[in-house]
Amino acid sequence: SQQGEEDPQALSIQEGENATMNCSYKTSINNLQWYRQNSGRGLVHLILIRSNEREKHSGRLRVTLDTSKKSSSLLITASRAADTASYFCATETGANNLFFGTGTRLTVIP
Amino acid sequence: GAGVSQSPSNKVTEKGKDVELRCDPISGHTALYWYRQRLGQGLEFLIYFQGNSAPDKSGLPSDRFSAERTGESVSTLTIQRTQQEDSAVYLCASRKGQNDGEQYFGPGTRLTVT
Repeated sequence: SQQGEEDPQALSIQEGENATMNCSYKTSINNLQWYRQNSGRGLVHLILIRSNEREKHSGRLRVTLDTSKKSSSLLITASRAADTASYFCATETGANNLFFGTGTRLTVIP
Repeated sequence: GAGVSQSPSNKVTEKGKDVELRCDPISGHTALYWYRQRLGQGLEFLIYFQGNSAPDKSGLPSDRFSAERTGESVSTLTIQRTQQEDSAVYLCASRKGQNDGEQYFGPGTRLTVT
């Protein structure tokens, strides 16, 4: 399976702390994307990192990609209660499909 | 402009009945995807439409599942003879082009088979 796996499955932190989530995958990719999901419904795209990129920033988000280890990490700095959600990584290969991981459930305690 | 919309938002059906789920993609988006998400799980790819090309049906779990899309507009996902294991949220996403990374998701249809 090309599906990614996130680690940890669940993470609980205090507001203001940083949250780090990791994603591992199995095959070569064109890009890796991170999505956020609130309340088990629609997903919102957060950031895309291409296979030739190693790090990318967007606001309080920082994503790294290590293609040699087939892994990525998502760092959320200075977390807020509103960041509470499930976070998924998704890998895209040449077939133009996205293969999603199982997600990390983040809880930020006010 | 409007995002991806799906209807109905919730559907409860009896085992054995057929259901039809609808997705309206963002106007001008050539790519459309259907996913299934069981409770507490990740997203399972079901089917992918790109323009007028033949769809990629490799994720459909059984022949009870089918989907159609006319051109670059509305898509319907049909599940025949529903089973309890079909209970899930069905998510639709569209994308501007074939190689244009970000997918835009609809709110999903929560299907419950009793």
